[in-house]
Amino acid sequence: QKEVEQNSGPLSVPEGAIASLNCTYSDRGSQSFFWYRQYSGKSPELIMSIYSNGDKEDGRFTAQLNKASQYVSLLIRDSQPSDSATYLCAVTRTASKLTFGTGTRLQVTL
Amino acid sequence: GAVVSQHPSRVICKSGTSVKIECRSLDFQATTMFWYRQFPKQSLMLMATSNEGSKATYEQGVEKDKFLINHASLTLSTLTVTSAHPEDSSFYICSARTHGGSGGGSSTDTQYFGPGTRLTVL
Repeated sequence: QKEVEQNSGPLSVPEGAIASLNCTYSDRGSQSFFWYRQYSGKSPELIMSIYSNGDKEDGRFTAQLNKASQYVSLLIRDSQPSDSATYLCAVTRTASKLTFGTGTRLQVTL
Repeated sequence: GAVVSQHPSRVICKSGTSVKIECRSLDFQATTMFWYRQFPKQSLMLMATSNEGSKATYEQGVEKDKFLINHASLTLSTLTVTSAHPEDSSFYICSARTHGGSGGGSSTDTQYFGPGTRLTVL
């Protein structure tokens, strides 16, 4: 079992729709959770961080965390073509290294 | 957010030469820096963790004598690829973190990535 699992996609959503990206993790000791966006040929860019159960909203992005189910998700509302990228889920114990999922490729179609 | 720079952004070198890549945290002090490598269409692979003033911790399978890491200050870490070969051609990315939190999850666990260095070894 992989430590952080993501569906590789591609996930295709029409412009203006909600994109839902999911991630599960195996380490129950994980304390910090992150979503990074990576455009092709570029380095990852931090989108959201979440540390406690529930929802966290930032603009069009909402991160959801459920530690009991070991599940973290990212919702992107009003998806735009510029949102087309690979989204990396990363988790970590405190003061430890990040463990990344393999990423979900999102395609927002016109 | 915090800014991390890398230099050079792109380098082409001949086989057998050494290449040094610099990673700088521009607006914060990074007690820990990480070096990753990413091959085309593959996920990030952590190579090593570097703490200021101490030796780097390398991941399994990464040759410490080939990939020399120095983290001499709180804002600068360098990765030197020694005796580079074509199979070392990759996208090298550093990240920086302020310091570990005291528990319960913290923004200080956040890693900020540099823009990456694309290395091509001929």
